[in-house]
Amino acid sequence: DTGVSQNPRHKITKRGQNVTFRCDPISEHNRLYWYRQTLGQGPEFLTYFQNEAQLEKSRLLSDRFSAERPKGSFSTLEIQRTEQGDSAMYLCASITPGAYNEQFFGPGTRLTVL
Amino acid sequence: AQSVSQHNHHVILSEAASLELGCNYSYGGTVNLFWYVQYPGQHLQLLLKYFSGDPLVKGIKGFEAEFIKSKFSFNLRKPSVQWSDTAEYFCAVNTNAGKSTFGDGTTLTVKP
Repeated sequence: DTGVSQNPRHKITKRGQNVTFRCDPISEHNRLYWYRQTLGQGPEFLTYFQNEAQLEKSRLLSDRFSAERPKGSFSTLEIQRTEQGDSAMYLCASITPGAYNEQFFGPGTRLTVL
Repeated sequence: AQSVSQHNHHVILSEAASLELGCNYSYGGTVNLFWYVQYPGQHLQLLLKYFSGDPLVKGIKGFEAEFIKSKFSFNLRKPSVQWSDTAEYFCAVNTNAGKSTFGDGTTLTVKP
């Protein structure tokens, strides 16, 4: 499969625990984006990387959230001290700049915080 | 900052009815426009896109959309819907950085 993959697909955790999600973009795509989608809403931008550099972070990304893309390939999104309000679908997308910014989305990781 | 507004939250149609979903965006510069579909339990899939040129764009599964620059609109249409079109539809706009701003989505229910 040459699409964007995300793991795990589902995560259930207790409030206060830390969680980490992984995104593997399409291999030749050098930009990678994270979004969050809650019920009844469209995806909201969180952050993006060009290669290993994190170029922009949304105000939605509180201090408890951190994202990395250490080698410019896969990316991880960590949430520390999870809260019930963090329950959402976390989506990853990737593009090759110049391809008119058409994003290819992964299946998402659904987080449930109890 | 850019924003996207989708006028209808939930649309219910019978099979063979025509569909039009509204989308308006707010942004002063050059934008790329997209419609995505999300079937129950599945991930976002691209229906169609507009970058430049002919403002009437055709996508997959018989969908089309028209970009009207003066109205900042990018409405999605399909002449005859099928039960299998039941899904959530998202309009999105992105700019040079590539990040997308999405509308809140329209849930389409097609009755057989």
